[in-house]
Amino acid sequence: DGGITQSPKYLFRKEGQNVTLSCEQNLNHDAMYWYRQDPGQGLRLIYYSQIVNDFQKGDIAEGYSVSREKKESFPLTVTSAQKNPTAFYLCASSILHSSGAYEQYFGPGTRLTVT
Amino acid sequence: SQQGEEDPQALSIQEGENATMNCSYKTSINNLQWYRQNSGRGLVHLILIRSNEREKHSGRLRVTLDTSKKSSSLLITASRAADTASYFCATPSGGYNKLIFGAGTRLAVHP
Repeated sequence: DGGITQSPKYLFRKEGQNVTLSCEQNLNHDAMYWYRQDPGQGLRLIYYSQIVNDFQKGDIAEGYSVSREKKESFPLTVTSAQKNPTAFYLCASSILHSSGAYEQYFGPGTRLTVT
Repeated sequence: SQQGEEDPQALSIQEGENATMNCSYKTSINNLQWYRQNSGRGLVHLILIRSNEREKHSGRLRVTLDTSKKSSSLLITASRAADTASYFCATPSGGYNKLIFGAGTRLAVHP
């Protein structure tokens, strides 16, 4: 899981509550990402950030918000507007590969259950 | 938007056998990456192959890329029980530092 930490590993919330997932990296990577993974599925991009104080929506940004105030941190808030928030959330950061492509490093993930 | 599609969705083999997973994609790419995910964990980068490469090796892993067919394959030779995991291909999307992941192949290697 490299130098990326996500906390907590498991998170339980009641429907209607906002919840913030933490992601911290000490790899000095500029770009960071949030993905959602549902059982047996691939990863879907929620938000990404290429530099501090800048971020862009991914494919499924509705109901989520992020901030990037520090290079090391990229927290994700799952709002009450997210209709189906129960999922496994993965944070990643990326570095320029020697080939010119970007390789992503992933955190261990947070499993969010909303009831 | 799904770019890569892995095949098969699931694969069950015995230790010592080879495992082959395939990935097809839709648009032109300049590289393709393979990642591994153990159950309930984050993904780990395995190997990257550039569009001007046809084959690449890393230990027991062999990756091929056929840009004319828009497909790639990952071969794990002499598989071990510890290779049990899901394997994903990923291709660049939009900006050069964004990736799109396929749905993955779930590999089970039985002792």
